Amino acid sequence: AQSVTQLDSHVSVSEGTPVLLRCNYSSSYSPSLFWYVQHPNKGLQLLLKYTSAATLVKGINGFEAEFKKSETSFHLTKPSAHMSDAAEYFCVVTLWGGGGNKLTFGTGTQLKVEL
Amino acid sequence: GAVVSQHPSWVICKSGTSVKIECRSLDFQATTMFWYRQFPKQSLMLMATSNEGSKATYEQGVEKDKFLINHASLTLSTLTVTSAHPEDSSFYICSARKRGQVNQPQHFGDGTRLSIL
Repeated sequence: AQSVTQLDSHVSVSEGTPVLLRCNYSSSYSPSLFWYVQHPNKGLQLLLKYTSAATLVKGINGFEAEFKKSETSFHLTKPSAHMSDAAEYFCVVTLWGGGGNKLTFGTGTQLKVEL
Repeated sequence: GAVVSQHPSWVICKSGTSVKIECRSLDFQATTMFWYRQFPKQSLMLMATSNEGSKATYEQGVEKDKFLINHASLTLSTLTVTSAHPEDSSFYICSARKRGQVNQPQHFGDGTRLSIL
């Protein structure tokens, strides 16, 4: 079984300040983890992925995330927020194999960026 | 890139109508496509997994006869909401996995907003 918990439903930051979106996972096996972003009335765009290679993963738009097995965490960070980063962010876990590639989504974190 | 297109993006129809939503992979072949449902301010819930040339696999609690899925080609899957009612109003999103890339992320469409009056 696998699950993912996003610890904050809403995060508000000022433009130019760091962003931290928290995610903890639970998995019986070595998982693969993703962060997706969703803008209003849009589908999901992949920000970055962890698939058992480097634990520090760099993604698009300046985002990065660190896989910490000891803490079962995969927090998303960005050094400096931009207004265009305001969106919903989903942490996602999956187990490869079994033919299903089924994704388990977190409940999402709404990021608000203020001037 | 890996572009997934959904059509229509927005549909409003009367109760009792059947609505078909298309999901196309524009620049790749997709042996597997996934259909999700998203309620306002909530996360995505997987409805079914669609495999080209075979029957879809539905998640527990999803009515097969209500949500008909067809994946007749490597670039097209359709979701038909039959005899739609107001409680079927939701945001439906599809995703696709590239053929031969089992261990790679899914690529998502932009979603379809379905409103049943």
